Amino acid sequence: GQNIDQPTEMTATEGAIVQINCTYQTSGFNGLFWYQQHAGEAPTFLSYNVLDGLEEKGRFSSFLSRSKGYSYLLLKELQMKDSASYLCAVREGGGKLIFGQGTELSVKP
Amino acid sequence: KAGVTQTPRYLIKTRGQQVTLSCSPISGHRSVSWYQQTPGQGLQFLFEYFSETQRNKGNFPGRFSGRQFSNSRSEMNVSTLELGDSALYLCASRGTQVNSPLHFGNGTRLTVT
Repeated sequence: GQNIDQPTEMTATEGAIVQINCTYQTSGFNGLFWYQQHAGEAPTFLSYNVLDGLEEKGRFSSFLSRSKGYSYLLLKELQMKDSASYLCAVREGGGKLIFGQGTELSVKP
Repeated sequence: KAGVTQTPRYLIKTRGQQVTLSCSPISGHRSVSWYQQTPGQGLQFLFEYFSETQRNKGNFPGRFSGRQFSNSRSEMNVSTLELGDSALYLCASRGTQVNSPLHFGNGTRLTVT
């Protein structure tokens, strides 16, 4: 079956670093995506990993280990505007994109 | 480039009625996917269309259906509405490469009373 797990909630302090983990078991694998969704808004694309390793994009980095079925999103120099839900999603072999439940991140001053 | 456009933004329907939601993808995108988002279940995959053909389907009952037109615009229909169908319905389009991300519209908020 398919299963994507991430923590439900996390809290961090402005200026700090936070790591959001995601583990997955899916039917085939064609890449892992991270999305950000602010309350009342549409999800927006953050990053894509298909090979093992770290992808860095400004304050955001994403890591993938295919053998472990594991990814994380790293957010550095946290800002208040980073308070949002972070969604991990896996593109299965057949092409459909399956999402985890999302991690609600609260950034406190 | 204009983003993904969904209409209407809000909809209130009564149990037993049916509803049709519309989605216009980003120009040049031929793949359109639909998702249902609820607080308890997160984003649940409904179906994906590519060049007017359903390419993938999620685990929803047959009351949920969709189609795609030759201009890539898509509609989804829900018949015999139930209270549990109240949700945010999101449409997303993407390019043809396997690493192309989904670009989401702002969704249609459906309330069934």
